[in-house]
Amino acid sequence: DVKVTQSSRYLVKRTGEKVFLECVQDMDHENMFWYRQDPGLGLRLIYFSYDVKMKEKGDIPEGYSVSREKKERFSLILESASTNQTSMYLCASSSPGENTGELFFGEGSRLTVL
Amino acid sequence: KNQVEQSPQSLIILEGKNCTLQCNYTVSPFSNLRWYKQDTGRGPVSLTIMTFSENTKSNGRYTATLDADTKQSSLHITASQLSDSASYICVVSAGGSYIPTFGRGTSLIVHP
Repeated sequence: DVKVTQSSRYLVKRTGEKVFLECVQDMDHENMFWYRQDPGLGLRLIYFSYDVKMKEKGDIPEGYSVSREKKERFSLILESASTNQTSMYLCASSSPGENTGELFFGEGSRLTVL
Repeated sequence: KNQVEQSPQSLIILEGKNCTLQCNYTVSPFSNLRWYKQDTGRGPVSLTIMTFSENTKSNGRYTATLDADTKQSSLHITASQLSDSASYICVVSAGGSYIPTFGRGTSLIVHP
């Protein structure tokens, strides 16, 4: 069974803290993505990566950075958390050419910044 | 700019009734369209995929249609169940792009 695992389902952090969200996939997928999801706004792309050590900005990269040191792992970093980063964060992976690009999502990490 | 619009934004129906969700897109060049189901507090899961040459595809009680000429898709749910309560997201992929375009979703609530 294909699997995308996000390290934390729920996190509560304080303003200014550094936050790490980890994502691991076991499907040997080249592409990995980080989205945030807010009510009424849908999923918005923060960053994506199409290969190890490669990263591209999505639609809303401000205040975030990412790291992809290994193919299976894609980390999202909030250098200094702010209250407007309270959201549901979803990691996904896909493989170009397989399943016509179906995205496989993790269960999500709900972050609250106080 | 590629866009995907879904309607209605939310829908409440009684258990056992049918419903239809709509998706209009302006994505070019079109590659495929997927409907995802997202249960509350979970990640989205693909229900069905439509490619350019397909008009209708069924997955159990879910039937998706695609009109590539008018750039519209619908998801029809037959004999709804309480477990159908979820958000349904239309996602369209363009040829040559890793990045699909997401609609904002339709929130469906099925009441007993």
